[in-house]
Amino acid sequence: AQSVTQLGSHVSVSEGALVLLRCNYSSSVPPYLFWYVQYPNQGLQLLLKYTSAATLVKGINGFEAEFKKSETSFHLTKPSAHMSDAAEYFCAVSDTGANSKLTFGKGITLSVRP
Amino acid sequence: DADVTQTPRNRITKTGKRIMLECSQTKGHDRMYWYRQDPGLGLRLIYYSFDVKDINKGEISDGYSVSRQAQAKFSLSLESAIPNQTALYFCATSDWRDHEQFFGPGTRLTVL
Repeated sequence: AQSVTQLGSHVSVSEGALVLLRCNYSSSVPPYLFWYVQYPNQGLQLLLKYTSAATLVKGINGFEAEFKKSETSFHLTKPSAHMSDAAEYFCAVSDTGANSKLTFGKGITLSVRP
Repeated sequence: DADVTQTPRNRITKTGKRIMLECSQTKGHDRMYWYRQDPGLGLRLIYYSFDVKDINKGEISDGYSVSRQAQAKFSLSLESAIPNQTALYFCATSDWRDHEQFFGPGTRLTVL
């Protein structure tokens, strides 16, 4: 069964600092991987996804993530945090079969200090 | 207009009451999902449907039932609500060719 680990529940950074949110997956074969963002009182919105093309994936709002098979990781980064990045971030994994479903991590809350 | 809509957006009910949450989509997707979100637990899958005649239990289906009335509509019911069903509920859709899911705005349910 697929699983996703997001270490920690809360990350706090200063405005302008690097954002790094970690995600590790457990899968017997390279899966599809996703990062979603949830702003307060809203639904989830896709930030980016990896579907076996380029291992470095660029998403919206300046975020990117790199698929590293050897480390079973898909960490999310942004070079310079903005106040508007404060939100909850979820990593999700899916196998590549036609009837596969998403399995979500527990989420990480990102706070941005002025 | 939003592609995935959920009604109601907020609901307060009492223990033992029957309640239905509704989801509609205009994306033309065949696959629909119901999740619940609890603090610190992420999203957990309750039920999913890959087409109108297909209904499947997810990770936490006990105490819930669903109905797929049409390709565009997927309802979640709590036959007899209990306080530990207090949560944020999300509906999502996807196309069979893609694993990306599109989420509704959520329904905040409180069971007293």
